Amino acid sequence: GEDVEQSLFLSVREGDSSVINCTYTDSSSTYLYWYKQEPGAGLQLLTYIFSNMDMKQDQRLTVLLNKKDKHLSLRIADTQTGDSAIYFCASLYKQAGTALIFGKGTTLSVSS
Amino acid sequence: DAGVTQSPTHLIKTRGQQVTLRCSPKSGHDTVSWYQQALGQGPQFIFQYYEEEERQRGNFPDRFSGHQFPNYSSELNVNALLLGDSALYLCASSSATSGDWETQYFGPGTRLLVL
Repeated sequence: GEDVEQSLFLSVREGDSSVINCTYTDSSSTYLYWYKQEPGAGLQLLTYIFSNMDMKQDQRLTVLLNKKDKHLSLRIADTQTGDSAIYFCASLYKQAGTALIFGKGTTLSVSS
Repeated sequence: DAGVTQSPTHLIKTRGQQVTLRCSPKSGHDTVSWYQQALGQGPQFIFQYYEEEERQRGNFPDRFSGHQFPNYSSELNVNALLLGDSALYLCASSSATSGDWETQYFGPGTRLLVL
């Protein structure tokens, strides 16, 4: 079945850039997403990219998509302590409806 | 503009009981999806409702059922609760009829503990 994989943990210092990586198996994925989850909270949509794009930039966030390798990355510039959270990569699996397939999440820890 | 709301926020049940969770979609949205997030895992798709019908279903047993009302709000019912049903249940809404169909917005979730 469809699968999305992420590294589980990333630690950076405040002010550095963070890069969170994700690979997916469904070559027919039309959209790929990054969600953020803070402790005890729901999911906040950060950004998403259509599969015919290679890059998308939104303020401090840059998403890169390599369709050949089915690899997606999220770069956070000037990482702040408030960016500490779990980041989920998700792929849109469009069959009859529109189900999202999530990775297990990457915990980002930002130290000052 | 209210986002996705869910109730209750927390719930404690015992094995064998039944539970109903509720979700109101974001204003203007007509599609509701439910996800289960076990501790330390990513969310897993349970099912999706559109036009009051189940449109797509993930790999969950029939103990999990749902309903969508004419005002687009939705319920998730779980029968014969098992300890393994303890999780955060997330509702997401989207719009099948607007140009925003590909974007799902999540509520804060209902945390269910089964003892």
